[in-house]
Amino acid sequence: NAGVTQTPKFQVLKTGQSMTLQCAQDMNHEYMSWYRQDPGMGLRLIHYSVGAGITDQGEVPNGYNVSRSTTEDFPLRLLSAAPSQTSVYFCATTGQGSSHNEQFFGPGTRLTVL
Amino acid sequence: SQQGEEDPQALSIQEGENATMNCSYKTSINNLQWYRQNSGRGLVHLILIRSNEREKHSGRLRVTLDTSKKSSSLLITASRAADTASYFCALISSGSARQLTFGSGTQLTVLP
Repeated sequence: NAGVTQTPKFQVLKTGQSMTLQCAQDMNHEYMSWYRQDPGMGLRLIHYSVGAGITDQGEVPNGYNVSRSTTEDFPLRLLSAAPSQTSVYFCATTGQGSSHNEQFFGPGTRLTVL
Repeated sequence: SQQGEEDPQALSIQEGENATMNCSYKTSINNLQWYRQNSGRGLVHLILIRSNEREKHSGRLRVTLDTSKKSSSLLITASRAADTASYFCALISSGSARQLTFGSGTQLTVLP
C-alpha cells in the first residue's frame, strides 16, 4: 500500500495563478482532511471530508476549494494564489479497523507563492 | 484562560446509549472543534462549529454551540465500544486566529 500520497512535493507559483494539490489514499478511509503548517505554528485545518460527496470547511478555508468525488482522492485547489498561501500543505486520513482513529499524513507539499 | 474545560472528566455508558460531553470556555471564539484521541494515539479531528452556527451534525455526532453561555456539547448517539476514547474540545479564540487551545478532555468508556 502506498498509504497517503501527495503531489507535487514542491511548487512555485506567481501571485494570481491557480493550481491543484493532489492527495490520494489507498486505505479506503472515509475521512480526509487538508492542513497547512506555517513556521512557528501548528497545523491549521483548511477543509475536511467525512466521505465521498461530502466536504466541509475547516479553520482557514478562504482561498481554497475541495471536492470529494471518490473515496480515494481529495484534491485541494488554490483559486488565485497569494503570497499568504506560501506554506507546507499536508493531507491526512483517519484510519479504521485496527488503526481506528489513527491519523495518517501524507509527505506534504511545499508551496511558495511569489 | 481561554482554554476549554470539558465536563464530565470521565463518562462510562453501555453500548447503544447516547453520550453527551460538554465544553465551557471564557473568551469569545472564532470556532470550536472537537477531537478524539484513542489511548496512545494522536488526535483526530471530528467536527468544527463556527461562532455563528448553533448546531452541526456529522454521522452519529451532534455538536451544539451556545455563545451566550460560552458552552458547547458533543452528543454521540448509539455509542459503540469503538467510541471509547478521550474527547477534547479545542478553541480558536477571536483575538488570535493561530493557536488551537485544547481542554483537558472527557474520558469516555463504552461498555459492550
